[in-house]
Amino acid sequence: GAGVSQSPSNKVTEKGKDVELRCDPISGHTALYWYRQSLGQGLEFLIYFQGNSAPDKSGLPSDRFSAERTGGSVSTLTIQRTQQEDSAVYLCASSPGTDYKEGQYFGPGTRLLVL
Amino acid sequence: SQKIEQNSEALNIQEGKTATLTCNYTNYSPAYLQWYRQDPGRGPVFLLLIRENEKEKRKERLKVTFDTTLKQSLFHITASQPADSATYLCAVDTGRRALTFGSGTRLQVQP
Repeated sequence: GAGVSQSPSNKVTEKGKDVELRCDPISGHTALYWYRQSLGQGLEFLIYFQGNSAPDKSGLPSDRFSAERTGGSVSTLTIQRTQQEDSAVYLCASSPGTDYKEGQYFGPGTRLLVL
Repeated sequence: SQKIEQNSEALNIQEGKTATLTCNYTNYSPAYLQWYRQDPGRGPVFLLLIRENEKEKRKERLKVTFDTTLKQSLFHITASQPADSATYLCAVDTGRRALTFGSGTRLQVQP
């Protein structure tokens, strides 16, 4: 079946511009996560959505970052006034729900480069 | 906060040998520990999960151990193949739903 998809696959932007990154989770998965991965680093948690509950935003690095999830499916991560340190790979993952057994299913990521 | 340590140096082994990767965590024992594989330019792929009350978990050529006394997990690939070459990430639960990941260890299996 279809996995997690993300768009765009690559994004180059100028410092100060806003960007939107999109994630389409696996159909039926109620949990959705955003992480970012800098070169040679581990994944850094950003935000987590579970069903209709309020999202866990505790990983967002600044108020320039925000995310929403519409209809319990597609999610958009928005970075306002981008900075060079925002350059990274942004990964989205989904999972079936509250059971950890199956781990998280990741998309291919969006590579963001801020010039 | 939880910190995950994985050997940042690449591990090079010969085909057919057993690869052993180490994951150490610094603070509280997580309820779960997971291992993922990541290939260049791709997202991580879930491999195995082990719970704190489990000492060992196996899946085909993979074996994971979990030692809460040593605060360590070992990940073994037996009869390694060049196709096993990738970066392997360790991740633990944080008490919330999100995971804390290590930076990964790159494995290179030589034919």
